[in-house]
Amino acid sequence: EAGVAQSPRYKIIEKRQSVAFWCNPISGHATLYWYQQILGQGPKLLIQFQNNGVVDDSQLPKDRFSAERLKGVDSTLKIQPAKLEDSAVYLCASSTPGTGDQETQYFGPGTRLLVL
Amino acid sequence: AQKVTQAQTEISVVEKEDVTLDCVYETRDTTYYLFWYKQPPSGELVFLIRRNSFDEQNEISGRYSWNFQKSTSSFNFTITASQVVDSAVYFCALRGYSTLTFGKGTMLLVSP
Repeated sequence: EAGVAQSPRYKIIEKRQSVAFWCNPISGHATLYWYQQILGQGPKLLIQFQNNGVVDDSQLPKDRFSAERLKGVDSTLKIQPAKLEDSAVYLCASSTPGTGDQETQYFGPGTRLLVL
Repeated sequence: AQKVTQAQTEISVVEKEDVTLDCVYETRDTTYYLFWYKQPPSGELVFLIRRNSFDEQNEISGRYSWNFQKSTSSFNFTITASQVVDSAVYFCALRGYSTLTFGKGTMLLVSP
């Protein structure tokens, strides 16, 4: 079974530029999550989707971050404009709701963003 | 609010030593799940174990074992006979009725 796919793996941009990350969850996983992991810390949830609807975006900085999951499968996370403090690893995860494994999230390899 | 504390920032051991990673959690939820994830240098978080709050049985999987004690709100992880490939950052996480909350992680360095 293929895991969670993310691209790009690495991105370097200058502050005030925009950037977008892509995620393809495990096939059949209706729930998709985006996390931000700053160096030396644990991942922090940015947004959670159930199919193509937002379940929780309370920690998403909505003035500069946006995310969408139009067809309930792939998702895109965008930052515009980027700030220095956005330098982090952006992790995508997915899980299957409504089954015994609903509480287990499986993570992709992440996108390492460096803002100069 | 949920909270996960991993007091050990970094642990260094020599290969074949046993090592225990500590995890203490706080939650008001009556039903919750505890997790351990491994993050090797490649960056991907690898799921190791899930334990629900009603199951306090310890679990052993090969060289890995987990000790869940509800009375002390702890979910510790022991690696027996550590190997160089065990070098990684290990995260303990908690999910109650809301989001998955991670600790800050413990970096384990296993030297030959």
